[in-house]
Amino acid sequence: DAKTTQPTSMDCAEGRAANLPCNHSTISGNEYVYWYRQIHSQGPQYIIHGLKNNETNEMASLIITEDRKSSTLILPHATLRDTAVYYCIVRVALDEGGSEKLVFGKGTKLTVNP
Amino acid sequence: DTEVTQTPKHLVMGMTNKKSLKCEQHMGHRAMYWYKQKAKKPPELMFVYSYEKLSINESVPSRFSPECPNSSLLNLHLHALQPEDSALYLCASSRTRGTSGGITYEQYFGPGTRLTVT
Repeated sequence: DAKTTQPTSMDCAEGRAANLPCNHSTISGNEYVYWYRQIHSQGPQYIIHGLKNNETNEMASLIITEDRKSSTLILPHATLRDTAVYYCIVRVALDEGGSEKLVFGKGTKLTVNP
Repeated sequence: DTEVTQTPKHLVMGMTNKKSLKCEQHMGHRAMYWYKQKAKKPPELMFVYSYEKLSINESVPSRFSPECPNSSLLNLHLHALQPEDSALYLCASSRTRGTSGGITYEQYFGPGTRLTVT
């Protein structure tokens, strides 16, 4: 499984953009990059995913470098409720039925400060 | 409805007890997962069910026994657990990628069952 490397912790001021980096230098051509977050004592929550192109949804933007060896999750206007652990994950397909494996790394603890 | 429900929220059990954790989803997902999360650690995959069949067991001890009685339900039967099995047990579900490959789908997680083994 491709491994990911993220900073242990980051701080961000409320209302500012939070940029969370992730290295995945061993990613293979058909592996997607996924981002999840986990707010304290809750189940992980899906944020966004991408393969090659940059992606944007109502929660965040995902910027993937051209060589696909790294990516950045951008929360455009961070709020206090965005304080959570953010996981960058490279997905691996498990079986022909299409169920897939999430291998969580240690993640980045993002603290949004007032 | 994009909710995965888990019961109970909290469970305390002795090492000789038998108990079960329950997970339910009504999103029509045909892949369901059990994860274990120790304090201050990331979730770790335990089991995957695909179309109600066990497709992956991540070398989990036999004192954990999963069951998928139908496409909406996933159980985890617990027997003779150890104190080190105390953790948050998370259930998730997802659509499945078609056999022709192509797009992939996110997993939806439940809130978890906080298990304490005494």
